[in-house]
Amino acid sequence: DAKTTQPNSMESNEEEPVHLPCNHSTISGTDYIHWYRQLPSQGPEYVIHGLTSNVNNRMASLAIAEDRKSSTLILHRATLRDAAVYYCIRTNTGNQFYFGTGTSLTVIP
Amino acid sequence: DAGVIQSPRHEVTEMGQEVTLRCKPISGHNSLFWYRQTMMRGLELLIYFNNNVPIDDSGMPEDRFSAKMPNASFSTLKIQPSEPRDSAVYFCASSKGQGGQPQHFGDGTRLSIL
Repeated sequence: DAKTTQPNSMESNEEEPVHLPCNHSTISGTDYIHWYRQLPSQGPEYVIHGLTSNVNNRMASLAIAEDRKSSTLILHRATLRDAAVYYCIRTNTGNQFYFGTGTSLTVIP
Repeated sequence: DAGVIQSPRHEVTEMGQEVTLRCKPISGHNSLFWYRQTMMRGLELLIYFNNNVPIDDSGMPEDRFSAKMPNASFSTLKIQPSEPRDSAVYFCASSKGQGGQPQHFGDGTRLSIL
């Protein structure tokens, strides 16, 4: 049970912003929202996480809806190196992460 | 800083043989996770440890699989006897504390059982 819903695939032009959506309509008040990405032949890489407020770091921004039932990962300027599978995960005070099928992002030069 | 270190990177062996995968977590991290990734099932959590104690092993597929963490800097995942359907990429990850803290993954072990 992945507990989140994401589109299977998305495309973006290089140098343009990318908005990757995630639905987590059954989220509880203590669940964190995590985003990871996986490049070919590599392990998943942490991108960003948050609880209620929007979050920014050097890699991306995370916009969390006011009701917390959805979130959006924002890559401000897509590069070819951002082509990967992006996973949206919700996790509570326990440490179990349930990876769904993720969104495969293609970046077009 | 060194990340999570897994060995071997690749393992090819015949069915029936014992397979041991190794993981060294990031120093100071007290939670350790073993995952398996296949095309059919995606990334699955097999087991996780907190402070060297197994907390949840409900993802371990069957008794042929076992995992140990004898100390804070080392863990093993063992398959005995191995079967072709165990072929997958096995990842180890570690995190600091609980409460949904980020997990840091190793590069994985690609296991092929012939």
